[in-house]
Amino acid sequence: DAGVIQSPRHEVTEMGQEVTLRCKPISGHDYLFWYRQTMMRGLELLIYFNNNVPIDDSGMPEDRFSAKMPNASFSTLKIQPSEPRDSAVYFCASSNRQGAVHNEQFFGPGTRLTVL
Amino acid sequence: AQSVTQLDSHVSVSEGTPVLLRCNYSSSYSPSLFWYVQHPNKGLQLLLKYTSAATLVKGINGFEAEFKKSETSFHLTKPSAHMSDAAEYFCVVNPPTNFGNEKLTFGTGTRLTIIP
Repeated sequence: DAGVIQSPRHEVTEMGQEVTLRCKPISGHDYLFWYRQTMMRGLELLIYFNNNVPIDDSGMPEDRFSAKMPNASFSTLKIQPSEPRDSAVYFCASSNRQGAVHNEQFFGPGTRLTVL
Repeated sequence: AQSVTQLDSHVSVSEGTPVLLRCNYSSSYSPSLFWYVQHPNKGLQLLLKYTSAATLVKGINGFEAEFKKSETSFHLTKPSAHMSDAAEYFCVVNPPTNFGNEKLTFGTGTRLTIIP
């Protein structure tokens, strides 16, 4: 298994531009999570999906951020327009259930976003 | 509600000496507990997990953790530190799946430095 795949690994863009981050979860996992990590705020959950349906997006900072999961093997996180304060590492993670136990989340390598 | 407190933001130990990273949790139910490790510029990797089975949990790379309900602690230990252990470590609480909430609660992290 290739694990969780994210692309691009690095993205440098200018303020005001649209940014799209991509994630392919582990096959068979029915949960997908998007996180943001910064020095100041640590690791923050932005949104998570179950069976492609957004369940909790309360961590999405503002309307400039949107996430979709059109199918079980693909998700996007879009920022439009981007701002310098969006600079961070964005992680995607996936997991599944096993009865009453929620299995651990498997993290992708992250996308390092720099907004100039 | 649940919370996690990592008692040390930074720990330094000499190579070959024991490692102790402390974690206390607060939860109104019996949670699952994880330790994740993040090496520089990498994603998070699961070290070990506790899911109400044995209270002493063994993980990868010689790490282990003991769940102590009376102390609400889940400290991470390793008998002998190796240079490759230098990384950021996160203690994480996971609610039961029947709570309808799949959000993990992350500690703020402990940076482990190994002195040659």
